[in-house]
Amino acid sequence: SQTIHQWPATLVQPVGSPLSLECTVEGTSNPNLYWYRQAAGRGLQLLFYSVGIGQISSEVPQNLSASRPQDRQFILSSKKLLLSDSGFYLCAGEARSGTQYFGPGTRLLVL
Amino acid sequence: GENVEQHPSTLSVQEGDSAVIKCTYSDSASNYFPWYKQELGKRPQLIIDIRSNVGEKKDQRIAVTLNKTAKHFSLHITETQPEDSAVYFCAASIGYSGGYQKVTFGTGTKLQVIP
Repeated sequence: SQTIHQWPATLVQPVGSPLSLECTVEGTSNPNLYWYRQAAGRGLQLLFYSVGIGQISSEVPQNLSASRPQDRQFILSSKKLLLSDSGFYLCAGEARSGTQYFGPGTRLLVL
Repeated sequence: GENVEQHPSTLSVQEGDSAVIKCTYSDSASNYFPWYKQELGKRPQLIIDIRSNVGEKKDQRIAVTLNKTAKHFSLHITETQPEDSAVYFCAASIGYSGGYQKVTFGTGTKLQVIP
């Protein structure tokens, strides 16, 4: 079964600073990968998905970007953080069954 | 696009009672319906799922029912225990060519089981 790793676990950043969150996957090859954001007390919003190296699709226009430089690596970035970027960021991988499994998440606070 | 509505937003039950959470979806192409449990500060974890060719599925104290015609599905937890307290999310998923799954989540139900 696949395992999703994310880091860092928590991050406090000033407004206007850059961001890089990393997600890696073990136990599978060529997985579909997803980035979600969860605002405090809210549901999950899909930000990006990737079906392979270099292939990124964006679900909502925003201040963030994603990249997939390697098969099992998915990166979420920003050049300049906004206050509204605060939240719990979850990376998910997809099993063959179509079920998505989440990583432990990164809690981001922008001040 | 798909729209998933979930009710209630909060639910308090006495330990040992049953809890029911209901969801509706809008896109008849949705064919997979997972349920996730999220404890405070942790990741959502899959607890049960159902596919569109099945009407009901049960796993110990947890069951899920699906009514494709009415486009609604429900989570049933029997004999609730304090450790069932968490936020529960329903989701509806559509598979696209290339293997991409578009999952739309409900807004969540905060379940509190009172000892």
